Amino acid sequence: ILNVEQSPQSLHVQEGDSTNFTCSFPSSNFYALHWYRWETAKSPEALFVMTLNGDEKKKGRISATLNTKEGYSYLYIKGSQPEDSATYLCAPSGSARQLTFGSGTQLTVLP
Amino acid sequence: DAGVIQSPRHEVTEMGQEVTLRCKPISGHDYLFWYRQTMMRGLELLIYFNNNVPIDDSGMPEDRFSAKMPNASFSTLKIQPSEPRDSAVYFCASSLDATGSTDTQYFGPGTRLTVL
Repeated sequence: ILNVEQSPQSLHVQEGDSTNFTCSFPSSNFYALHWYRWETAKSPEALFVMTLNGDEKKKGRISATLNTKEGYSYLYIKGSQPEDSATYLCAPSGSARQLTFGSGTQLTVLP
Repeated sequence: DAGVIQSPRHEVTEMGQEVTLRCKPISGHDYLFWYRQTMMRGLELLIYFNNNVPIDDSGMPEDRFSAKMPNASFSTLKIQPSEPRDSAVYFCASSLDATGSTDTQYFGPGTRLTVL
């Protein structure tokens, strides 16, 4: 079981604002980092999987970066929209090859 | 593909009763995971299977919990006897091949369990 921290715990932004949040994880024994998006009353949905230090992934207005040496990943949302409101979970995996989910960042985008 | 299917979607039962949650993974997926989501502990892994064989059940809270996967298309999570602290949302997820854990896990809609 890995110690995963996400910050901030919650975030309110105005429509059109750009935002970012952090996932911190142990840098030793790292294998991959997953980001999931979880809307209320739905199930978690995969956004990205990253493995290499310096990896950057992008999906529309959402992008993520990975630093495996220092053990963190950033998720960025450009020009937030109300439909981006969700909880964003990160989940690293180590040699045990199972995901350990962080507690998430709950994003609310106000119209 | 229909995705991961879970049943029931909601279950309300009384303390002491047996509860069985069901999951049908995506066809062709080799791995199946059971998670529990609570306010206090977030999303935690209970057990996972590879090719119907339990690989790691260290997350199963206690002996009242058991999980089986009799074939590639069906798994159950059973709680007997159930207690109010078991109230949570239970998710099932499947993935094609967790080698290296780079493969995406696809989650079912969850079963919301309430134990009175």
